[in-house]
Amino acid sequence: DVKVTQSSRYLVKRTGEKVFLECVQDMDHENMFWYRQDPGLGLRLIYFSYDVKMKEKGDIPEGYSVSREKKERFSLILESASTNQTSMYLCASSLGQENIQYFGAGTRLSVL
Amino acid sequence: QKEVEQDPGPLSVPEGAIVSLNCTYSNSAFQYFMWYRQYSRKGPELLMYTYSSGNKEDGRFTAQVDKSSKYISLFIRDSQPSDSATYLCAMSARGNNRLAFGKGNQVVVIP
Repeated sequence: DVKVTQSSRYLVKRTGEKVFLECVQDMDHENMFWYRQDPGLGLRLIYFSYDVKMKEKGDIPEGYSVSREKKERFSLILESASTNQTSMYLCASSLGQENIQYFGAGTRLSVL
Repeated sequence: QKEVEQDPGPLSVPEGAIVSLNCTYSNSAFQYFMWYRQYSRKGPELLMYTYSSGNKEDGRFTAQVDKSSKYISLFIRDSQPSDSATYLCAMSARGNNRLAFGKGNQVVVIP
């Protein structure tokens, strides 16, 4: 079974803090993704990566950056957290042209 | 026009009923179609995957794709309270790394 592991289920941070969200997959997938999910807005793509050290902006990259130094690990960074970044963050990975994505359990981030 | 339209519901049904969910889309290049199930405060899990048009059945679940109408459906037979969740449709075109998602449809199965 594909396993995508997100480092934290719940996080509480202060405005202005630097926040790291970590994601690890164990299936040697090429592609990895970061989404945020908000009520009424659905899943929105923040960034994705199709290879080590490669990244592409999604639909809402502002205020976020990413890092992929190893194939299995994809990190989302909030340089200076703001209250409007309070959300559920989901990591996913996929392989192949079908792009079937497998998700982690999610990190619920609250920025106070 | 949004790429993928999905009625958010919520949809409440009695236990044992058939649940019918659907999505419409505008991009004729989509070839890969998925349904995900998401329980409250959890990540989406892949439920069904279909390539191109046709039907696929897995236990109580049936996925249908009608590419001519740009319409996909998910049917849940003999629904159970454990089927209470949000169901998201997703689709992609060949060679495209991105998935287009519907906003999700909340289903409540009442015992």
